[in-house]
Amino acid sequence: SYVLTQPPSVSVAPGRTARITCGGNNVGSKSVHWYQQRPGQAPVVVIYYDSDRPSGIPERFSGSNSGNTATLTISRVEAGDEADYYCQVWDSSSDGWVFGGGTKLTVL
Amino acid sequence: QLQLQESGPGLVKPSETLSLTCSVSGGSFSSSSYYWGWIRQPPGKGLEWIGSIYYSGSTYYNPSLKSRVTISVDTSKNQFSLKLSSVTAADTAVYYCARTAYTSSPWDVWGKGTTVTVSS
Repeated sequence: SYVLTQPPSVSVAPGRTARITCGGNNVGSKSVHWYQQRPGQAPVVVIYYDSDRPSGIPERFSGSNSGNTATLTISRVEAGDEADYYCQVWDSSSDGWVFGGGTKLTVL
Repeated sequence: QLQLQESGPGLVKPSETLSLTCSVSGGSFSSSSYYWGWIRQPPGKGLEWIGSIYYSGSTYYNPSLKSRVTISVDTSKNQFSLKLSSVTAADTAVYYCARTAYTSSPWDVWGKGTTVTVSS
């Protein structure tokens, strides 16, 4: 089955840029979605279809996807961005939805 | 605004069947071509897709759980349900129901989640 690989943790100072990667075999050919999950809450979409941003999500959140890596970029990181982030795709070969293992973003 | 709400027992004994229901409110359920899914999260771990059902009744299951999972829909009640058989402690998790418009689109509406503990 298809596997998405994320780093377990990323740390960044306030005001700097955080990049969270999501690796998968030819993931660039798939549509990648990113979710933010704060403790005790359900996940929320922050980026969909690789780089689109839902209404209400700050422009500081952006996404890209090419080759074997998709990336979620958070610019001018704020303390409120501290959360777990998950990438997700649809795998047509197995007819199933796949989540990455998640990345804990820590704001120093 | 569409809302999803999970319900069911919070405690299930090992080897028994876990049964959860997701109630859909604030929008049309039966006439809309959406996928309705179940996703779980064990304590301290990541998200795992369990399975989904299309409004027409077609089902999709995680291969690792397929032999134990059944998802069904009751359009008259605006609900869809999850049954997971032969549970063990490894099935202890927060269970979420969610909705997506297409297989390639994001899960854009989620329930708040319900905690299920498997223990004797």
